[in-house]
Amino acid sequence: EIVLTQSPGTLSLSPGERATLSCRASQSVSSSYLAWYQQKPGQAPRLLIYGTSNRATGVPDRFSGSGSGTDFSLTISRLEPADFAVYYCQQYGSSFKTFGQGTKVEIK
Amino acid sequence: QVQLQQWGAGLLKPSESLSLTCAVYGGSFSVYYWTWIRQPPGKGLEWIGDINHGGNTKYNPSLKSRVTISVDTSKNQFSLRLSSVTAADMAVYYCARGLPYGMGSYLDYWDQGALVTVSS
Repeated sequence: EIVLTQSPGTLSLSPGERATLSCRASQSVSSSYLAWYQQKPGQAPRLLIYGTSNRATGVPDRFSGSGSGTDFSLTISRLEPADFAVYYCQQYGSSFKTFGQGTKVEIK
Repeated sequence: QVQLQQWGAGLLKPSESLSLTCAVYGGSFSVYYWTWIRQPPGKGLEWIGDINHGGNTKYNPSLKSRVTISVDTSKNQFSLRLSSVTAADMAVYYCARGLPYGMGSYLDYWDQGALVTVSS
């Protein structure tokens, strides 16, 4: 099982600030197989990034993903009010696909 | 536009079996990995398993002994059965479409989710 550990658990920032979220894997993950999802309260998760750095359709370019091996990150260049949510990373390269525990981005 | 819609019993007693079905509207059914995920109240996402149109399944090892995912290609539907539920199985259950990418698949469409409560 590939365990994904996200940090920090909660990120308190103001609109306009830059957010950097981390996702660390217990073993190497091919960069093709790392995704990020955004979830708002009472809603289903929404795909943001796949293949480490590819934005899904309709995702604003203030969202970017990077990383390789065991260390991946999601960056939101300038936070907008709609971006305050919980973010999950997921690896989908193994038979048992796993999610990180999530990072909550909250308004400071 | 692709839409997924699920239905099933929302209230179960301990030891009963959970049964959910997800219908897919729009788009092809045959290319994708049809996936179940759950989220206990206030907690994170847990991948349950997936199935392709050919019926090949993959399951979360921690649930494998109790889980069955099946597909009905004639109706563009797939189903989840989880036996012997306990309070630990209470969660919002999501069905989602897995888009193949290389040797894996990421989840590009999700339904709105359905809460399954387990209570005696």
